[in-house]
Amino acid sequence: GAGVSQSPRYKVAKRGQDVALRCDPISGHVSLFWYQQALGQGPEFLTYFQNEAQLDKSGLPSDRFFAERPEGSVSTLKIQRTQQEDSAVYLCASSLLDRGYGYTFGSGTRLTVV
Amino acid sequence: AQKVTQAQTEISVVEKEDVTLDCVYETRDTTYYLFWYKQPPSGELVFLIRRNSFDEQNEISGRYSWNFQKSTSSFNFTITASQVVDSAVYFCALDGSQGNLIFGKGTKLSVKP
Repeated sequence: GAGVSQSPRYKVAKRGQDVALRCDPISGHVSLFWYQQALGQGPEFLTYFQNEAQLDKSGLPSDRFFAERPEGSVSTLKIQRTQQEDSAVYLCASSLLDRGYGYTFGSGTRLTVV
Repeated sequence: AQKVTQAQTEISVVEKEDVTLDCVYETRDTTYYLFWYKQPPSGELVFLIRRNSFDEQNEISGRYSWNFQKSTSSFNFTITASQVVDSAVYFCALDGSQGNLIFGKGTKLSVKP
């Protein structure tokens, strides 16, 4: 596609519910990143894929967070047993190659846990 | 440790004023990349510029200009003759060792007519 597409755009979840957030990167982009942006803050790194390999998941805040990219294109970020502190905008970015080549961001999914 | 500091939380100017957004970074890498992104109210991050650590030439793109100074670890962004459409949150970011971006907390710019 022309850009990075994320769905849903908004998600309201009850505390304890599981959610899945989808990212469609730009076709052919090797690298894919997930970021979490709390209100009034800068985005913070969650995890990084190169093709289907998850090379870095050091930013995932707990074992309730899980990400996958099984075929090296679409990625899903799953959050189990959501808690109020998970409320944030989740941004996906893709890049043609690895570091330094610039990143295209999606519009994000705003998750609200009530 | 790698870190990006944007000391200005919010700036308010009147249209046609010039405004400079400050960015200071920390890294031990000799090769690194710096970025500026704009985040309008709609939420997407819009890429503005990428600069590598070996290129200290200042860059101008229309009303935007960037001043990169390795000696002070700064990468400041100036908007000349600001317009209402420039109102947004602006983020400075550093390309971390793992390939991820390390963002500052952002500067919210409000341009009033």
